Amino acid sequence: NAGVTQTPKFRILKIGQSMTLQCTQDMNHNYMYWYRQDPGMGLKLIYYSVGAGITDKGEVPNGYNVSRSTTEDFPLRLELAAPSQTSVYFCASTQRQGDRTYFGPGTRLTVT
Amino acid sequence: DQQVKQNSPSLSVQEGRISILNCDYTNSMFDYFLWYKKYPAEGPTFLISISSIKDKNEDGRFTVFLNKSAKHLSLHIVPSQPGDSAVYFCAASESLAGGTSYGKLTFGQGTILTVHP
Repeated sequence: NAGVTQTPKFRILKIGQSMTLQCTQDMNHNYMYWYRQDPGMGLKLIYYSVGAGITDKGEVPNGYNVSRSTTEDFPLRLELAAPSQTSVYFCASTQRQGDRTYFGPGTRLTVT
Repeated sequence: DQQVKQNSPSLSVQEGRISILNCDYTNSMFDYFLWYKKYPAEGPTFLISISSIKDKNEDGRFTVFLNKSAKHLSLHIVPSQPGDSAVYFCAASESLAGGTSYGKLTFGQGTILTVHP
């Protein structure tokens, strides 16, 4: 049982490039999330999903897209990377509201 | 609009003493509160939680207190150990009982705890 896994761990992008951050959970959780953490700040919700085929925006969705074709996978797509997207990205999952949320180890992204 | 605030960026305590980390919130709809611990280069890990129907929850060395009238919660660690040195995040969620928050969490900025041997 690996929990929540994320790839890659680190990535440097040039302005205008695109990339996909991968996230997989093996706990059969319904709810999945993408958060970003900027230096000295708390985590902010980018997008979330309540099940396969269902996604919705969080607090800071601009510049990102998501899809959820399976229960296990929840990739985050960055189109036209900008320096403001330099951050650490965490994927997370939980079975239901009120349960503890499990986080992946994070992806550190730098856009230069 | 910061709905969850941790006003102390850092806290330093001696091993064996009590660590008290504080958190304030403004959204009256929050009814479930969690504390997460985060080591460098790792994801946050769940520590302890409390629902709004309680005012205290204990788990070993960790106790969380909730004061709903003051919209304030605190995490007490007794006794503190050097391995407790990490960033601690307070988080909150709405509508624990049958609501539609879908488990979305609102986080504070975090407090860096350093426990000296």
